[in-house]
Amino acid sequence: DGGITQSPKYLFRKEGQNVTLSCEQNLNHDAMYWYRQDPGQGLRLIYYSQIVNDFQKGDIAEGYSVSREKKESFPLTVTSAQKNPTAFYLCASSPTRTGGIYGYTFGSGTRLTVV
Amino acid sequence: EDQVTQSPEALRLQEGESSSLNCSYTVSGLRGLFWYRQDPGKGPEFLFTLYSAGEEKEKERLKATLTKKESFLHITAPKPEDSATYLCAVQVYEGGADGLTFGKGTHLIIQP
Repeated sequence: DGGITQSPKYLFRKEGQNVTLSCEQNLNHDAMYWYRQDPGQGLRLIYYSQIVNDFQKGDIAEGYSVSREKKESFPLTVTSAQKNPTAFYLCASSPTRTGGIYGYTFGSGTRLTVV
Repeated sequence: EDQVTQSPEALRLQEGESSSLNCSYTVSGLRGLFWYRQDPGKGPEFLFTLYSAGEEKEKERLKATLTKKESFLHITAPKPEDSATYLCAVQVYEGGADGLTFGKGTHLIIQP
């Protein structure tokens, strides 16, 4: 079945450590997105990419980095510069940047906790 | 700045008790308004896209409507399996930030 796969489901990070969250899609979508979700807050856009080898910062990009070397993959690295990384991270994709009539397709999320 | 406000924050209904969730928005130019359902610990699941005032979409017990300032998600005769957080999001035309701007969601509980 087509969809978005995020891994791992749970991730624990020590202080000062960089960690990478995986996002893979087999929907042949051009655009991919990373969102962060905190309790009591709406989803906030971290980074997005509309085409391979190109990506743009979202509203809260500080302390994060991404790459888009393949159409199917859009990994997110949470660096040690991100001071409050504990959150639920969601990856999404869409056929085009506008989302089309079916909106964005989301993965099942990665819950990152700082220990 | 584009803003999306959802109300109420939480809503508890008895099974079969119909109600509506509200999503009000302030944007520079609306391209589309999206409704999603999110279960605990999972990613949002797409429900509807609305593009213009007066538009309506239906799916089972859910019906979404759109005006120039807000959208409503009407839930008719809900069942316990309709319990979830319902998210509203907007997308604007060129010149606004790309991606979707989300509201904080309405946490809906349907009691048997």
